[in-house]
Amino acid sequence: EADIYQTPRYLVIGTGKKITLECSQTMGHDKMYWYQQDPGMELHLIHYSYGVNSTEKGDLSSESTVSRIRTEHFPLTLESARPSHTSQYLCASSGLRGELFFGEGSRLTVL
Amino acid sequence: GENVEQHPSTLSVQEGDSAVIKCTYSDSASNYFPWYKQELGKGPQLIIDIRSNVGEKKDQRIAVTLNKTAKHFSLHITETQPEDSAVYFCAASGETSGSRLTFGEGTQLTVNP
Repeated sequence: EADIYQTPRYLVIGTGKKITLECSQTMGHDKMYWYQQDPGMELHLIHYSYGVNSTEKGDLSSESTVSRIRTEHFPLTLESARPSHTSQYLCASSGLRGELFFGEGSRLTVL
Repeated sequence: GENVEQHPSTLSVQEGDSAVIKCTYSDSASNYFPWYKQELGKGPQLIIDIRSNVGEKKDQRIAVTLNKTAKHFSLHITETQPEDSAVYFCAASGETSGSRLTFGEGTQLTVNP
């Protein structure tokens, strides 16, 4: 069982609000990722980190930002949420073999 | 970069039948090919993976085959059960992608009782 946690699981907010999605893992993994998943199922990489103080943009452009101050923590922030940000956000970390462990996801709805 | 295509996008089978999902990849340097299962309301979970030095791998009712020459790999589920119903994703990675996984588009598998 993977030890990676996301909060909140569900969030409904109004346009213009600032939100932070939390992601924590207790496996000591250096590599962590954020994926965006729309109802069409596809997983799109939006951010990744290979260790503390390392963050990179993923394949899909996103207005969100991330930080990696501690190994176990990889929060994602939207400064001003818009309806186009409505989606499911999945956090993951990877082990030594390259396998990904996903959290349960945070489903964001912006009204 | 790597491109992974997955087929079919939806698959419906009767309980007890077999299900096969196929993926192709573009980067010949890719060497790691995992499969993930995502149940409703949950994150994807690794169910089986294969590396490029192996042609086939089995784990109970699931198996994965890899054809490096043709650059395709497949997931086989035998004796399907209703609890196999989920979305399945294939993925590929290699050193050229910094070991970052590129996912296929997903397959919605429905097993009818």
